Amino acid sequence: EVQLVESGGGLVKPGGSLRLSCAASGFTFSSYTMNWVRQAPGKGLEWVSSISSSSSYIHYADSVKGRFTISRDNAKNSLYLQMNSLRAEDTAVYYCARDLSGTGTTDYWGQGTLVTVSS
Amino acid sequence: DIQLTQSPSFLSASVGDRVTITCRASQGISSYLAWYQQKPGKAPKLLIYAASTLQSGVPSRFSGSGSGTEFTLTISSLQPEDFATYYCQQSNSYPLTFGQGTKVEIK
Repeated sequence: EVQLVESGGGLVKPGGSLRLSCAASGFTFSSYTMNWVRQAPGKGLEWVSSISSSSSYIHYADSVKGRFTISRDNAKNSLYLQMNSLRAEDTAVYYCARDLSGTGTTDYWGQGTLVTVSS
Repeated sequence: DIQLTQSPSFLSASVGDRVTITCRASQGISSYLAWYQQKPGKAPKLLIYAASTLQSGVPSRFSGSGSGTEFTLTISSLQPEDFATYYCQQSNSYPLTFGQGTKVEIK
């Protein structure tokens, strides 16, 4: 069974940093592109970042470029999102999601971790 | 960036109704479109990908169609468990983008 479990969310002050993790199991993690998608409270879905299976290709939304860094450790079946210079508008539930065979479509999602940026 | 516009944003329907949601892209995206269902407090669930391919385990009352710039998600006979918010998403090019969502509520 495919499982994605996010952790690392919490309350952080504006300008602060946070590192999210996503532990993957039930599939060959090293074969899949992975994504982070976020959802602000009461709002729609926003794609944040993608990383290819070997980390060769990385993409970011303009809203986080230069502040967030996506990475992965295939030996540990883990995906990460380092978030720096956090802003109030980064407040959201952050989902880790598996890409459907490199199509840009996400077929499995974690339960999400809430990041709140507030003073 | 490719903008996706869903219509309607809100839909009130009864059990058994046929429901259609439209997603329009600001430029052609071939068939690189997916549909997701999200219930309150839960992660989105993939329903349809490549515009018309039903994800494994998704009931056959869900169907998708379209290509280029106009796409539809149809629920042939609305069931109680289908009341949720639906999102389209394009994967033609980065940045990946989502529609604003369509909330389907009980009439």
